[in-house]
Amino acid sequence: LAKTTQPISMDSYEGQEVNITCSHNNIATNDYITWYQQFPSQGPRFIIQGYKTKVTNEVASLFIPADGKSSTLSLPRVSLSDTAVYYCLVGGEQAGTALIFGKGTTLSVSS
Amino acid sequence: GAVVSQHPSRVICKSGTSVKIECRSLDFQATTMFWYRQFPKQSLMLMATSNEGSKATYEQGVEKDKFLINHASLTLSTLTVTSAHPEDSSFYICSAAAGSGETQYFGPGTRLLVL
Repeated sequence: LAKTTQPISMDSYEGQEVNITCSHNNIATNDYITWYQQFPSQGPRFIIQGYKTKVTNEVASLFIPADGKSSTLSLPRVSLSDTAVYYCLVGGEQAGTALIFGKGTTLSVSS
Repeated sequence: GAVVSQHPSRVICKSGTSVKIECRSLDFQATTMFWYRQFPKQSLMLMATSNEGSKATYEQGVEKDKFLINHASLTLSTLTVTSAHPEDSSFYICSAAAGSGETQYFGPGTRLLVL
C-alpha cells in the first residue's frame, strides 16, 4: 500500500481557501485517492475521492496531476467548523483492501 | 453516503471482563469490514480485516485470541475484547465498503474505558 506524506498541521482563517497537499510517490496504477475528515471522538468522514482527474463535490475539490504522485485537497472558504484532522489515503479498487492511515493534517481555523 | 453504525458508543468495564462491539452497515451489504484502534492524539491503526463467513485477518502485533472478530452476516461484524485490561482502553472504529472500488465508510467509533 502506498505511503502518504502530508503536512502535520496548517492554520487558516475563516473565509480563506485551504489547500492540503499529499504526496504518494509509490501509488499504483489502479489506486484511488481518498480524503477523510475526522473530528475528536468521531469516526472519519468521507470528503472526496478521485482517480487520475480533478473531482469536485459540494464540499471540496481534489486535484490530481497527471503522474498521480501527489494530490491536493482544496477547501473553499473554510469556517471554524472545518477545524479537524484531514487524512489522505490511497488504495486499490479491489474489495478487501484496507486503508492505512498516516498521521494526517491538523487544520486549525481561526476567526 | 452509506451509513455504518457502531454499538455501544461508549462502554466502561472492569479489568478482566469481556466487551463486545458491534459494527453494522445499515443500507448496504459489506463482504469485508475493517477494525481500527485509535489512541489519543494518534492516527487510526488497522487491527484486522473481517471477512463474512471466514476467519479474520489480523495485523502484526494484534492478538487474535484477545480481539475476537465475528462477521456472521453481510451487515454485521463484531469485535470482542476478551479479558480487557486498562491498556486496552481506546477508541475502536470500524469501516465497511459495499464492494470493489467502493468508498469505505466509517462508523462513529466506540470509546472503551477499562478500569
